[in-house]
Amino acid sequence: TQLLEQSPQFLSIQEGENLTVYCNSSSVFSSLQWYRQEPGEGPVLLVTVVTGGEVKKLKRLTFQFGDARKDSSLHITAAQTGDTGLYLCAGFLSGNTPLVFGKGTRLSVIA
Amino acid sequence: EAGVAQSPRYKIIEKRQSVAFWCNPISGHATLYWYQQILGQGPKLLIQFQNNGVVDDSQLPKDRFSAERLKGVDSTLKIQPAKLEDSAVYLCASSLWTAGFDGYTFGSGTRLTVV
Repeated sequence: TQLLEQSPQFLSIQEGENLTVYCNSSSVFSSLQWYRQEPGEGPVLLVTVVTGGEVKKLKRLTFQFGDARKDSSLHITAAQTGDTGLYLCAGFLSGNTPLVFGKGTRLSVIA
Repeated sequence: EAGVAQSPRYKIIEKRQSVAFWCNPISGHATLYWYQQILGQGPKLLIQFQNNGVVDDSQLPKDRFSAERLKGVDSTLKIQPAKLEDSAVYLCASSLWTAGFDGYTFGSGTRLTVV
């Protein structure tokens, strides 16, 4: 059973377009994180969201944590080819449990 | 600061052979994790160490996988004997603390192919 469901699985868009990827669960998480992974490399942390309803911005990336702390979204404005990669959401069910990951959204931004 | 070091980067072995992976975490990070990432999936936790003690190994297939973290620093993960379904990227990660919301720092991984 996958605790964190990500959608879409694959996304291919043109440079300059906007996109949103989603991360959903039936479980409540104490916090959620988003990672980006490039081929041949390990995931790299982008952001941590802790409070229900929290919104964080990282340049053109906007992250939101759902009010009930069961879901999160990542919105990219004016995508660039450098945004290409695998976006993974991951969460802590509690402060003492290890990180669990979703399957990821593979994003391809075409020039 | 230096990142998480892993070796080897790639390994190809035949089924039923054994293989070992090595990880050196970020200096001062008490917690170390081994994750398995099968192609097309997210990382799945195999084992978590706090210093040199095991915190969680509930998803480690103990009949064939073993791991140790001597002196609370470096760690090795071993598979013996390997099966075809063990083909995956094995990621090592470390963090400052077990509890809380620390981000994990991952190594580049070891890509294992079992033929």
